[in-house]
Amino acid sequence: GAGVSQSPSNKVTEKGKDVELRCDPISGHTALYWYRQSLGQGLEFLIYFQGNSAPDKSGLPSDRFSAERTGGSVSTLTIQRTQQEDSAVYLCASSFSGTRTDTQYFGPGTRLTVL
Amino acid sequence: GDSVTQMEGPVTLSEEAFLTINCTYTATGYPSLFWYVQYPGEGLQLLLKATKADDKGSNKGFEATYRKETTSFHLEKGSVQVSDSAVYFCALIYNNNDMRFGAGTRLTVKP
Repeated sequence: GAGVSQSPSNKVTEKGKDVELRCDPISGHTALYWYRQSLGQGLEFLIYFQGNSAPDKSGLPSDRFSAERTGGSVSTLTIQRTQQEDSAVYLCASSFSGTRTDTQYFGPGTRLTVL
Repeated sequence: GDSVTQMEGPVTLSEEAFLTINCTYTATGYPSLFWYVQYPGEGLQLLLKATKADDKGSNKGFEATYRKETTSFHLEKGSVQVSDSAVYFCALIYNNNDMRFGAGTRLTVKP
C-alpha cells in the first residue's frame, strides 16, 4: 500500500513568511508524528497526534510552530514568521496505534530553506 | 530524560568487513529500541527493532540485541556490502511515544 507522503518535497521561502507543510499518513494509522532533521540538532521530535486526544506539543521549539490534524488523517505543520534557523528537513511519521512497541513509518520529508 | 547515545562516525570499511555501531540508552524504564537507516537521497526506513530485554532484532544480515544490563543495542553485521553505505540511527520510544534518536552514524563501504 501507499506509504506516508509529504508535500511539498522542497520549499524555499523568505525570512518572515509563513509556510505550511502537509503530511498524509498511512491509511488506518491512528498516530502521527512530526520531526525535524537539521545539521546542528540531529533528529528532533516536534509534535504527536493520537486519535482524537489532545496533541503532545512538547517538542515544538517556539509558538511560531503549530500543527493540526483534520479528521484524524491529514496533518499540516505551520511555521509563522520563518527564521533562518528553521531551515531543516521536516519529517512526518505514522504508526498503527501509537504505542511504544509500534513501528513508525516515515515520509520522504520536506526540505525547507529560509533565505 | 530518555536519550540515546551512538557511536560517532563516519565509519569507513572495506567490503566484507565486520561492522559494529555502538548504541547505549538512558531511560527510566524499559523502552522499545530501534535502528533506522537512511540511504543516500532516501527517507528513514526501519532496519530492525526490539521491544523487550534480550530480544534480538534482525534484518538484511544486521542484528542487534537488547541488553538491559548494559543498556545497549549495538548494531552488527558480519560482512558489509557497498550497498550498506548509509546513515544509521539508533532510537528509542518510552514515555511519551515520541522517538528519541541518536546523532546518526555515517557508514561508507568501499569495494
